Amino acid sequence: DQQVKQNSPSLSVQEGRISILNCDYTNSMFDYFLWYKKYPAEGPTFLISISSIKDKNEDGRFTVFLNKSAKHLSLHIVPSQPGDSAVYFCAATGNTDKLIFGTGTRLQVFP
Amino acid sequence: GAGVSQSPRYKVAKRGQDVALRCDPISGHVSLFWYQQALGQGPEFLTYFQNEAQLDKSGLPSDRFFAERPEGSVSTLKIQRTQQEDSAVYLCASSRGQGGLYEQYFGPGTRLTVT
Repeated sequence: DQQVKQNSPSLSVQEGRISILNCDYTNSMFDYFLWYKKYPAEGPTFLISISSIKDKNEDGRFTVFLNKSAKHLSLHIVPSQPGDSAVYFCAATGNTDKLIFGTGTRLQVFP
Repeated sequence: GAGVSQSPRYKVAKRGQDVALRCDPISGHVSLFWYQQALGQGPEFLTYFQNEAQLDKSGLPSDRFFAERPEGSVSTLKIQRTQQEDSAVYLCASSRGQGGLYEQYFGPGTRLTVT
């Protein structure tokens, strides 16, 4: 049972435009959500997080939106840059020790 | 740099062999996590240490998997009698605080291939 779902395996966006990556979850006990970015042959790198008490968190070009009623979060990257090309993982935790990850979305930003 | 390091980066084992994977966390980090990432999937939790105490091993897939962190720093994940389904990237992560609410810093992983 996949508790965190990223239904789009890939996304292609032109440089300068907005990238929107989506994530859905099923466990209502999750109260903290994170996005990680992964380049080939490297470990995931933390990007941005959001607590369930908020509905938006912004850090530079990256904004995460949380819709608790829909159990949905999204990562917006604007403007997108070629260096943003990577696999993005959504993760969630419910005040426990472990992170539950989605299957990832491969973002390609082309010139 | 002072990030999380893992060794070896690549390991090929014949089915039935035992393997040991090492993780050096960021100095001073209290928490250490092991994850398994199969091809095309996200990382899946295996086990969690707070200092030297293994507080959660619910993700270990079988009793062939064993992890330790005897002095609260370096950790070793051991897989006995490897099987082909054990082929995956094994990721180690550490964090400064206790539990999953603190940012976890990941190492580059060890890619295990069982032939």
